[in-house]
Amino acid sequence: GAVVSQHPSWVICKSGTSVKIECRSLDFQATTMFWYRQFPKQSLMLMATSNEGSKATYEQGVEKDKFLINHASLTLSTLTVTSAHPEDSSFYICSALHWGGGSSYEQYFGPGTRLTVT
Amino acid sequence: AQTVTQSQPEMSVQEAETVTLSCTYDTSENNYYLFWYKQPPSRQMILVIRQEAYKQQNATENRFSVNFQKAAKSFSLKISDSQLGDTAMYFCAFMSEGGSQGNLIFGKGTKLSVKP
Repeated sequence: GAVVSQHPSWVICKSGTSVKIECRSLDFQATTMFWYRQFPKQSLMLMATSNEGSKATYEQGVEKDKFLINHASLTLSTLTVTSAHPEDSSFYICSALHWGGGSSYEQYFGPGTRLTVT
Repeated sequence: AQTVTQSQPEMSVQEAETVTLSCTYDTSENNYYLFWYKQPPSRQMILVIRQEAYKQQNATENRFSVNFQKAAKSFSLKISDSQLGDTAMYFCAFMSEGGSQGNLIFGKGTKLSVKP
């Protein structure tokens, strides 16, 4: 099956600094990737849709200047949390959209990144 | 707008028994996809099973099967011969057909505990 990697798996940063999370589709090209945030014991909350070569589409309530998304190639999307605050501490998950032919699409998920802001 | 509802926040089952997780959804579309994802303690999202709305036959994957009732907009997951490794959060999800955006709409999840 299709594999999506995410790096780092866990990062601790100081308040006010920025941190970058990478999401890579390892064995397929993904024109579309998604970034989710998950709070403990809750479902996945879509933050933004990342499209290769164009600006990301952010969900309502998500600050685009704080969560910078860059989808520079067909296999890599990055999420940069700028000027991080303790309330940004969370589990961030990316996924890549895989086209299986016809109108068949499926999202494959990365293993997630735990961000702790101190 | 589409919505997905999972009405069982938590469930438990004895090892080797069968359990059914419920999911209902709301959409005005005729063609779409439905998914069940598993999220174990590692938090890696794993696709369990997928159903295309245009297919009348219920999808099966080994011990996992679905009961897809299109008219009732119901999509339940049956796990047979439950194993300890099935302990996880289970999320039901909806995707529009064509999926040019490929957005998944998730339910709130059901926490399943398999007891020895």
